Amino acid sequence: NAGVTQTPKFQVLKTGQSMTLQCAQDMNHEYMSWYRQDPGMGLRLIHYSVGAGITDQGEVPNGYNVSRSTTEDFPLRLLSAAPSQTSVYFCASSYGPTQETQYFGPGTRLLVL
Amino acid sequence: AQKITQTQPGMFVQEKEAVTLDCTYDTSDPSYGLFWYKQPSSGEMIFLIYQGSYDQQNATEGRYSLNFQKARKSANLVISASQLGDSAMYFCAMRETHSGTYKYIFGTGTRLKVLA
Repeated sequence: NAGVTQTPKFQVLKTGQSMTLQCAQDMNHEYMSWYRQDPGMGLRLIHYSVGAGITDQGEVPNGYNVSRSTTEDFPLRLLSAAPSQTSVYFCASSYGPTQETQYFGPGTRLLVL
Repeated sequence: AQKITQTQPGMFVQEKEAVTLDCTYDTSDPSYGLFWYKQPSSGEMIFLIYQGSYDQQNATEGRYSLNFQKARKSANLVISASQLGDSAMYFCAMRETHSGTYKYIFGTGTRLKVLA
C-alpha cells in the first residue's frame, strides 16, 4: 500500500491563479479530509468527505472546492489563489468517520505570491 | 463551539524522564474522540493515541498514555522514559460526531525538546 499520497509536494502560484491539489489513498478508506497548517495555528479542517459523492465543509472552507467522485481520490481546488492561502496542506483518510486513526499524507507546501 | 487548548507552547524534558503535555477541550457533544499526534521536524503527522468519550479506562500505547479527566475536560498526554527521538511538535485533537457531521479540531501544539 502506498498509503495517502499528495501531489505536488511544493507549488508556487501567483495571486488569482487556480490549481488543484491532488490526494489519493489506496486503503479503501471512506473518510477523507483536507487541512491547512499555518505557523502557530495547528491544523484547521477545510473540507471532508464521508464517502464518494458526499462532502461537507470544515472550519475554513472559503476559497476552496472539493469533490469526491471515487473512493480513492479527493482533490482540493483553489479557485483564485490569494496570499492568505500560503500554507502547508495535508490530506488525511480513515476507514470511517469515527475510526480511531487518521492516516496523513506528506503534505503540500503552497506559496502564493 | 468546540475548542482545543494547549497552553504549553514549548517544553523541555531530560532524557529518560517522564513528561506531561496538557490539553483541555470544550464541547457540548456527549460523543467525541480525543487524539494526540506527533509532528517531527520532517513534517509528517503521526498518530499516537486515541481516547473515546465513553471509554472507562485511560488509553495507553507503549510509552504513551492519555490521562483522561472527563469532568475537567482534560486529555493530557504522558510520555514515559523520554527519548531524543521524542523531540517534536505534539498536537491534541478532538473529533465531534453529531447531526451527521464529523469534524476534527486541532490545538495549536506543544513543541517538546528532549535533552541528552
